[in-house]
Amino acid sequence: QVQLQESGPGLVKPSETLSLTCTVSGGSIRSNYWTWLRQPLGKGLEWIAYIYYSRSTNYNPSLKSRVSTSIDTSKNHLSLKLTYVTAADTAVYYCARGRSTIGAPDAFDIWGQGTMVTVSS
Amino acid sequence: QSALTQPASVSGSPGQSITISCTGTSSDVGGYNYVSWYQQHPGKAPKLMIYEVSNRPSGISNRFSGSKSGNTASLTISGLQAEDEADYYCSSYTSSSTYMLFGGGTKLTVL
Repeated sequence: QVQLQESGPGLVKPSETLSLTCTVSGGSIRSNYWTWLRQPLGKGLEWIAYIYYSRSTNYNPSLKSRVSTSIDTSKNHLSLKLTYVTAADTAVYYCARGRSTIGAPDAFDIWGQGTMVTVSS
Repeated sequence: QSALTQPASVSGSPGQSITISCTGTSSDVGGYNYVSWYQQHPGKAPKLMIYEVSNRPSGISNRFSGSKSGNTASLTISGLQAEDEADYYCSSYTSSSTYMLFGGGTKLTVL
């Protein structure tokens, strides 16, 4: 059974870069779409980025200038980088597996437990 | 303000049925059959309950059903149980560059 586990620093200073990793176990990262989402405490979900194992990516236009994601097939994990963070980037960050029939994930069927990231000096 | 509109809260008694709506536009909910619903208990990750408007993933109870009419999708939970108390979010593919939209979430209270 595929499981996802996010990891990374829980505290990032303003203007610095947030870096997270999502390790995929129980299955290969070479298939499916893999997605990053976030959720500020007490608020709704926001899609950040998705990547397919062939390296195609797509980013939320509101974050596109600051975000990048990549896959390391040798480690079976994906990574997220978000630059120049502010307090508005404080949230629980999730990685999720996307199911797709449209050339992009249309639903997210397996989620990691999430990791809380706080942006503060 | 979220792109898809959901009621902030709904409630029902055990055994009853409730419906949560999710309203968008013809560019998202109304234009595509890629509406999903997620259940989220406090402190937990979201869980996929419905995809492609009305399909249930393996292991999801048939008490959960989805439908769509025009620009509004709906999640119906029948035979309410205490463990159904959670937040529910809808999402939809959109033709805009944003690609996917979420609703603001609905808090379901089982009385």
